[in-house]
Amino acid sequence: AQKVTQAQTEISVVEKEDVTLDCVYETRDTTYYLFWYKQPPSGELVFLIRRNSFDEQNEISGRYSWNFQKSTSSFNFTITASQVVDSAVYFCALSEWAISGNTGKLIFGQGTTLQVKP
Amino acid sequence: NAGVTQTPKFQVLKTGQSMTLQCAQDMNHEYMSWYRQDPGMGLRLIHYSVGAGITDQGEVPNGYNVSRSTTEDFPLRLLSAAPSQTSVYFCASKAGGRTDTQYFGPGTRLTVL
Repeated sequence: AQKVTQAQTEISVVEKEDVTLDCVYETRDTTYYLFWYKQPPSGELVFLIRRNSFDEQNEISGRYSWNFQKSTSSFNFTITASQVVDSAVYFCALSEWAISGNTGKLIFGQGTTLQVKP
Repeated sequence: NAGVTQTPKFQVLKTGQSMTLQCAQDMNHEYMSWYRQDPGMGLRLIHYSVGAGITDQGEVPNGYNVSRSTTEDFPLRLLSAAPSQTSVYFCASKAGGRTDTQYFGPGTRLTVL
């Protein structure tokens, strides 16, 4: 069955520290997409990145980077030199394609609350 | 574009009352869905639609109804509210392409007493 696990419930770091948020997924599908969303204290969900199952290249966007490894079914997210504004809940999500078809359905992890202290 | 809009932003109901959460998008997206967010459980899919006139159940559909009479609107109806339906509800939409991103509305915080 499909599943996304974010084992870290809460992480607290001091500003400028690097922090990695873990995401492990399970799927039988051969074609799927992985996502990260950010939910700041204001409550909205902000899309950060999408990665398809055929592209294992790591991606870097400013202070954010993502490490996708199919061999370990992981899609981890690293924030370098964290800032107070990074404080939020971060969700990893999975969308299956070949089995479910193009339905837009997302399977979310439980979320990781990141607190960055000044 | 307003994107995905949801009304109301907050709602308090008594057990047994019914109500409709509104969701609209102005991006001509084919796919729309409803999720609920509960502490420690992430977001779970309630119902989804792949186009006008087509809806299907997600992971937690019990107690909720949906319909999709237009491309733009996807209301979620609570037939007889229960305290277990206290949650934050998010509506989302995406275009029909394989790689299109799903956009979320601002959410509705519902409390059932």
